[in-house]
Amino acid sequence: DAKTTQPPSMDCAEGRAANLPCNHSTISGNEYVYWYRQIHSQGPQYIIHGLKNNETNEMASLIITEDRKSSTLILPHATLRDTAVYYCIVRANNDYKLSFGAGTTVTVRA
Amino acid sequence: KAGVTQTPRYLIKTRGQQVTLSCSPISGHRSVSWYQQTPGQGLQFLFEYFSETQRNKGNFPGRFSGRQFSNSRSEMNVSTLELGDSALYLCASSSTTGGFEKLFFGSGTQLSVL
Repeated sequence: DAKTTQPPSMDCAEGRAANLPCNHSTISGNEYVYWYRQIHSQGPQYIIHGLKNNETNEMASLIITEDRKSSTLILPHATLRDTAVYYCIVRANNDYKLSFGAGTTVTVRA
Repeated sequence: KAGVTQTPRYLIKTRGQQVTLSCSPISGHRSVSWYQQTPGQGLQFLFEYFSETQRNKGNFPGRFSGRQFSNSRSEMNVSTLELGDSALYLCASSSTTGGFEKLFFGSGTQLSVL
């Protein structure tokens, strides 16, 4: 059962901000929004997560709407190394049963 | 600090054989979870171990099994391989129990069943 909806692909110019949307209209009150990315031939890499407040770390910013039904991952200054598949998932803490959908394939172009 | 290490990186087997994959978690991490990733199904949870005990299990047949050793290293075994078992098998480790935040993934073992 798909809990999130993401666009299949997007392009971004190097040095510009990349805004990746995610819809999660059936999110429960105890579920967090997590973002991971997977670069070709590597395992998924944690980016950021949040419950209801906006979050920022050294990699990205996460903006969650007030009703929590959607969120946006922002890569502030995309580089070629940010080319990857980005996955948005919702999960409760202590829930190991992750399942990633198709994600968004982000291609950063010089 | 070394990351999660999975061996072997690539594996080719034939139908009916069995295979054992290995995962060494980040030092100090006690939880290890396993996932299967295929182009059609995406990433699917197999099972999770903590302190040598299986705590969570996904919806995979009994041919898929695992174990964890006292040093937190983990192995997963697939018996009677089928063509559909061809996939990237990923393991991830985590440092906290109940309410963890981050999973650290290895690079995976790419299994091809011929």
